[in-house]
Amino acid sequence: QKEVEQNSGPLSVPEGAIASLNCTYSDRVSQSFFWYRQYSGKSPELIMSIYSNGDKEDGRFTAQLNKASQYVSLLIRDSQPSDSATYLCAVNEGLDSSYKLIFGSGTRLLVRP
Amino acid sequence: KAGVTQTPRYLIKTRGQQVTLSCSPISGHRSVSWYQQTPGQGLQFLFEYFSETQRNKGNFPGRFSGRQFSNSRSEMNVSTLELGDSALYLCASSYREAGELFFGEGSRLTVL
Repeated sequence: QKEVEQNSGPLSVPEGAIASLNCTYSDRVSQSFFWYRQYSGKSPELIMSIYSNGDKEDGRFTAQLNKASQYVSLLIRDSQPSDSATYLCAVNEGLDSSYKLIFGSGTRLLVRP
Repeated sequence: KAGVTQTPRYLIKTRGQQVTLSCSPISGHRSVSWYQQTPGQGLQFLFEYFSETQRNKGNFPGRFSGRQFSNSRSEMNVSTLELGDSALYLCASSYREAGELFFGEGSRLTVL
């Protein structure tokens, strides 16, 4: 059973701080990695995708991928109260199942004003 | 550009009934995926369609089925409903990269 693991949180950080969200996955052949944000009562929205080892930056968000360690992370700089949400890590399942995503259970982030 | 549209948004059924949920993807998106979201199991993949063909199926019983039409619209059907089928059913469409999904607002199914 392929798995994606996340700490459920809540992760509480003060406004303006860096929030660090982590994710590990079990399928060594996974090639595509995604972070989705889900506000309470809303559907998930894609905020970052990463396909190669290293860092990828988009505004206040940085995704980091380490395939050798099977580890993906998301850094949110200058955290704002509007960033308070559940962050879902998603990984494609294997080489032949690239259209199937396995989601982690999500980390709830709380940014304190 | 209109987003992914799901209907109905809310529905209540009783055990043993069946239900059909509809999804209209973003214009130009040919891939449609369905996910089930519950508090206990999180988001779980149901199936994915591209050009009317099912490319992947998740680990759900045969009571869960779907299809895609030539205009990329998709439907999923759940027969012989069970209490455990109560969930938020999310449809997502994708244009280019697999996994870069745009989700609809979901259909919340309650089975009594």
